[in-house]
Amino acid sequence: AQKVTQAQTEISVVEKEDVTLDCVYETRDTTYYLFWYKQPPSGELVFLIRRNSFDEQNEISGRYSWNFQKSTSSFNFTITASQVVDSAVYFCALRRTQGGSEKLVFGKGTKLTVNP
Amino acid sequence: KAGVTQTPRYLIKTRGQQVTLSCSPISGHRSVSWYQQTPGQGLQFLFEYFSETQRNKGNFPGRFSGRQFSNSRSEMNVSTLELGDSALYLCASSLGGSNTGELFFGEGSRLTVL
Repeated sequence: AQKVTQAQTEISVVEKEDVTLDCVYETRDTTYYLFWYKQPPSGELVFLIRRNSFDEQNEISGRYSWNFQKSTSSFNFTITASQVVDSAVYFCALRRTQGGSEKLVFGKGTKLTVNP
Repeated sequence: KAGVTQTPRYLIKTRGQQVTLSCSPISGHRSVSWYQQTPGQGLQFLFEYFSETQRNKGNFPGRFSGRQFSNSRSEMNVSTLELGDSALYLCASSLGGSNTGELFFGEGSRLTVL
């Protein structure tokens, strides 16, 4: 079975602080995809990143960076110099590469509040 | 390019009633998935359709059903509503077929069951 754990339920920071959102996953598959989505108050899930399990290279996109460590089954997300607009619920998700389905298994999410 | 459109955005029903939610995917997308989001259970997969065929189904009772039309639009139906069905129902679309595309989500339909 697949499982995603986001141990941090809520995080509150002050603007310009750096913040890291943790994600730990479980799967028996040897290949899989990992995702991060952002959910603003409007409700829709906004895609942030997809990482294939065989690509452990870390990625940086502006103020966002992701650290994928297969050895510890973690895919952490860091926001540098946080801004109020970063306030949202962030979800980590896992998907199989086999079977033809695009089903996502989500973590429970981390609610990030960035205060001015 | 229009995004995923879900209707209605908000609705209130009473126990025992049924409800139908609609999802129009992004033009050209052939795969539609549905998720239920509640504070207690989080985001849970309901079902997935590709080219009018159900490709996968989550662990929900038979009261939850769905279908996809030839134009890729999808509907989901919940019969004999229960209080616990109150949730945000999210639809996502993708190109489908290759199993590598990202999912694009709509803003959801928020169902309240009284």
